[in-house]
Amino acid sequence: GAVVSQHPSRVICKSGTSVKIECRSLDFQATTMFWYRQFPKQSLMLMATSNEGSKATYEQGVEKDKFLINHASLTLSTLTVTSAHPEDSSFYICSARPTNTGELFFGEGSRLTVL
Amino acid sequence: RKEVEQDPGPFNVPEGATVAFNCTYSNSASQSFFWYRQDCRKEPKLLMSVYSSGNEDGRFTAQLNRASQYISLLIRDSKLSDSATYLCVVILGNKLVFGAGTILRVKS
Repeated sequence: GAVVSQHPSRVICKSGTSVKIECRSLDFQATTMFWYRQFPKQSLMLMATSNEGSKATYEQGVEKDKFLINHASLTLSTLTVTSAHPEDSSFYICSARPTNTGELFFGEGSRLTVL
Repeated sequence: RKEVEQDPGPFNVPEGATVAFNCTYSNSASQSFFWYRQDCRKEPKLLMSVYSSGNEDGRFTAQLNRASQYISLLIRDSKLSDSATYLCVVILGNKLVFGAGTILRVKS
């Protein structure tokens, strides 16, 4: 079945640094990818919809200048957390669907810890 | 009101029990519905899609009631390995909305 790969799975960084997370669709092309964030014991919250070749669509309350999304190819989307702070520590997950109504496949997730 | 609401649980059940989870959604224009399973500190994985006619996959049965805007998941003969968080997911347009999840703990 379709596979979405996410890297790195775990990252620890100092406050003020930037962290880049990659999301790849391995056996299908994804014009749209989704980025979610999940805090402990809470549900996944959609942060933004990444659109290949155009600007991402951000959900209300998500700072687009802080969470930079680039979707330069049909198989790769990146999320960069700029000037990370401890409150940005979370589980970030990307997802994509081979078709508009089919199954949503998730990356393995990236656990970010900001010291 | 949340777009997708679930009882957070936890549901603590013995092995072999039958357990049912409910989910309600607020937007009648919602198009597709799924149940996902999420194990601790892992990504969610699709458990099953939910259709108006109801669908069954082994010990799992999912049902959708569009009139009441209600989705259910029934697990029969619970196994220890069923312990997880079950997420109700609703698609509205190009957007997927997740419920907060229901925690299931199956104990021997």
